[in-house]
Amino acid sequence: AQRVTQPEKLLSVFKGAPVELKCNYSYSGSPELFWYVQYSRQRLQLLLRHISRESIKGFTADLNKGETSFHLKKPFAQEEDSAMYYCALSDHSGNTPLVFGKGTRLSVIA
Amino acid sequence: DAGVTQSPTHLIKTRGQQVTLRCSPKSGHDTVSWYQQALGQGPQFIFQYYEEEERQRGNFPDRFSGHQFPNYSSELNVNALLLGDSALYLCASSSQAVDYGYTFGSGTRLTVV
Repeated sequence: AQRVTQPEKLLSVFKGAPVELKCNYSYSGSPELFWYVQYSRQRLQLLLRHISRESIKGFTADLNKGETSFHLKKPFAQEEDSAMYYCALSDHSGNTPLVFGKGTRLSVIA
Repeated sequence: DAGVTQSPTHLIKTRGQQVTLRCSPKSGHDTVSWYQQALGQGPQFIFQYYEEEERQRGNFPDRFSGHQFPNYSSELNVNALLLGDSALYLCASSSQAVDYGYTFGSGTRLTVV
């Protein structure tokens, strides 16, 4: 069964500290992994996807197939990073829907 | 480009009633997916429409139905509303023709009393 697990509901860090949001997945095939972000009073938006291997707003995520993880990292947190973060997976065909984790709320403290 | 537009933004209904939610996809997108997001949860897939047909469906009862129109817009209908149907309903559009990526609307907040 497809499943995405985000073990932390809330993560609080100080401004300038490193951030790591954890995501583990269960999938029988070859998944495509995503991170979505929802800022306060804004719609859900794509932050990054593993196939593009981009760094968006200083965030990176590496797919570890051995550990079935796709953790989101940023070396220095900023106050504007405070938001709800969702890890999601799909398959490479683009025809299967996204399966989301329950989300982690990141709070960056000044 | 207005992106994905959903209406209404908020709705209050009574148990047993029926509700219709609407979604206009992003320009150039031909596929619409609907998600239910309960409080404190991630979005859960309800169904997906392409070429006016339901192509995939999540684990939701038949009380949840939908429609896609020739202009790619879509409706989500829920019959015999239960208190547990209270949630944020999200619409996401995508394209089959280009590298897919989902664009989400702001959602409709449904409260069942």
